[in-house]
Amino acid sequence: TQLLEQSPQFLSIQEGENLTVYCNSSSVFSSLQWYRQEPGEGPVLLVTVVTGGEVKKLKRLTFQFGDARKDSSLHITAAQPGDTGLYLCAGPQFTGTASKLTFGTGTRLQVTL
Amino acid sequence: KAGVTQTPRYLIKTRGQQVTLSCSPISGHRSVSWYQQTPGQGLQFLFEYFSETQRNKGNFPGRFSGRQFSNSRSEMNVSTLELGDSALYLCASSFESVLNYEQYFGPGTRLTVT
Repeated sequence: TQLLEQSPQFLSIQEGENLTVYCNSSSVFSSLQWYRQEPGEGPVLLVTVVTGGEVKKLKRLTFQFGDARKDSSLHITAAQPGDTGLYLCAGPQFTGTASKLTFGTGTRLQVTL
Repeated sequence: KAGVTQTPRYLIKTRGQQVTLSCSPISGHRSVSWYQQTPGQGLQFLFEYFSETQRNKGNFPGRFSGRQFSNSRSEMNVSTLELGDSALYLCASSFESVLNYEQYFGPGTRLTVT
């Protein structure tokens, strides 16, 4: 079983601060996805990284896939209250002839004014 | 394009009862996956259906079952409910395999077992 560990588990910061969330595994993933989930809602896909070393930017969010495709990071610049939510990384896991998404342990971010 | 819809959004059941949750995937998506989300265990994979066949299954007891219809809509059923089944149940759809296609989630059904 490929496990995805996220750190930190919780993060409370003030508006305008920068932060980085990490997603680590001992296994290689063909790709990794990042989701944000708000209370009472389902996760919303933010980005998919596919190539080792790949960097993708989504406004103030920067996503990086590790060279060895075992880890990923999400960096938020100048956080805003609207960034508050649960951030989840996920990677496809092969199970015989089928596949499924394995989710990370999650990072709960709170951004206050 | 309409997103993934789940009904009902909230449900309260008594221990021992059974429940059926419904999911309508994005039009054209043939894969539907179900997940259970709890504060303690996070997001855990229940099963995946593709073209009316269960293609993959997570580590959940047989009380959890599902099915998919010819129009790709899916239902999941939990029989003999236990207090520990209280959770947010999420449905996600994908065009085909999650290996190559992104997965989109519905808003979830919040199940409370009393």
